[in-house]
Amino acid sequence: QSALTQPASVSGSPGQSITISCTGTSTDIGTYNYVSWYQQHPGRAPKLIISDVSNRPSGISYRFSGSKSGYTASLTISELQPEDEADYYCGSYSSSSTLAFGGGTKLTVL
Amino acid sequence: EVQLVESGGALIQPGESLRLSCAASGFNFKNYAMTWVRQAPGKGLEWVAAITGSGSSTYYADSVKGRFTISRDNSKNTQFLQMRSLRAEDTALYYCAKDYYDSSGYSWMVDSWGQGTFVTVS
Repeated sequence: QSALTQPASVSGSPGQSITISCTGTSTDIGTYNYVSWYQQHPGRAPKLIISDVSNRPSGISYRFSGSKSGYTASLTISELQPEDEADYYCGSYSSSSTLAFGGGTKLTVL
Repeated sequence: EVQLVESGGALIQPGESLRLSCAASGFNFKNYAMTWVRQAPGKGLEWVAAITGSGSSTYYADSVKGRFTISRDNSKNTQFLQMRSLRAEDTALYYCAKDYYDSSGYSWMVDSWGQGTFVTVS
């Protein structure tokens, strides 16, 4: 069982926006801003798309944005494109000095 | 360009040991913490262990604490994962990953990943 809770799947049509939630507790997301998001296409290594809750690393599209409220972090993808179809994982530092990942969310672009 | 190349994966029996290696290039290796993350077939990501740039601090997931040891050789730009008392549930693709920030600590975020090396315990 993952320490962080994500929906198993989300879907959207090209051009639309979707949001993926990642719920933790007071020992991780609720207290720390070491929240990151990763995109993983089938058969490929994960890719960092959001760091520090809401920062986009160099080269990451403006269509990806992150936020946090309370114990929940969110990833929003705007102007959905077919190539966005992938698995998405959130990650957060935990006060037990571990890195927790969410269980992953499969994004389907209809 | 950052490159991380894992090696050492194998098919082994329960209770045996195995050492994974990760050869790094394209960045100042000693300035970055390094991480191992694994992914069982068809499953999600699981953080395994991390080590700071100097090697002075290490961190482990509860599931591997006491069985796995992370280390690094900065003179060879290589990190290692020594795995002992392996179990069927350790079967996974093991990724080597680089810390996001250049610092003396660990940022708990990783930005570059290798392609992984597969460990099968059966």
